[in-house]
Amino acid sequence: EVQLLESGGGLVQPGESLRLACEASGFKPGLDFRIYAMSWVRQAPGKGLEWVAAISSSGDDAVFAESVRGRFTMTRDTPRNTVYLEMESLTVADSAVYFCAKIMSWEAPNAIDAWGQGALVTVSS
Amino acid sequence: QFLVTQSPSASASLGGSVKLTCTLSSGHRSYAVAWHQQQPEKAPRFLMRIASDGGHEKADGIPDRFSGSSSGLERHLTISGLQFDDEADYYCQTWGSGILLFGGGTKLTVL
Repeated sequence: EVQLLESGGGLVQPGESLRLACEASGFKPGLDFRIYAMSWVRQAPGKGLEWVAAISSSGDDAVFAESVRGRFTMTRDTPRNTVYLEMESLTVADSAVYFCAKIMSWEAPNAIDAWGQGALVTVSS
Repeated sequence: QFLVTQSPSASASLGGSVKLTCTLSSGHRSYAVAWHQQQPEKAPRFLMRIASDGGHEKADGIPDRFSGSSSGLERHLTISGLQFDDEADYYCQTWGSGILLFGGGTKLTVL
């Protein structure tokens, strides 16, 4: 069973930056991290799920929700089975639990088929 | 505009059945969706992927009580033999044109 472990959440002030990491493990033999696209999804308190970003298996293509485009960057380090979400110019509206998610295909976006436990990001002065 | 619409709430009796619906916006009849369950205070869990022809691919460990189907722009998640543990928020997710979309979620109450 694929496991996704997020890290890097915390409390920051408006305008500051933060980097989230997500380490993936538990892949079946021959179906490892490098063949799957990955995604980040967030959930503000009491709200629904909001897609944030996705990256292809190669790392060559990343797509972003309009609400974060130009401020957030998503990258992957395949040897480390890790994806990152670099967040800049954070605002109060970015406060949420950020979930790392595995996509069931090499291309992004596509269906999500595994979720991490989430990392809380709080933007407040 | 590319949209995914869900009813905000649904309810059904313990042991009964419920059919949750996700409606795609016009022009997206061929699109597949994924359904996810989020129990209170937990991370979401992938349930199944449903194609436009109704074919569905369930996650490992999802019981036969959960099934999927399609009709036109609608993608359905049916849960039978309802248990209190099924009380959760259910999200429909689709993708295309470089974006990934979630419906607003349906809060299922088991009476």
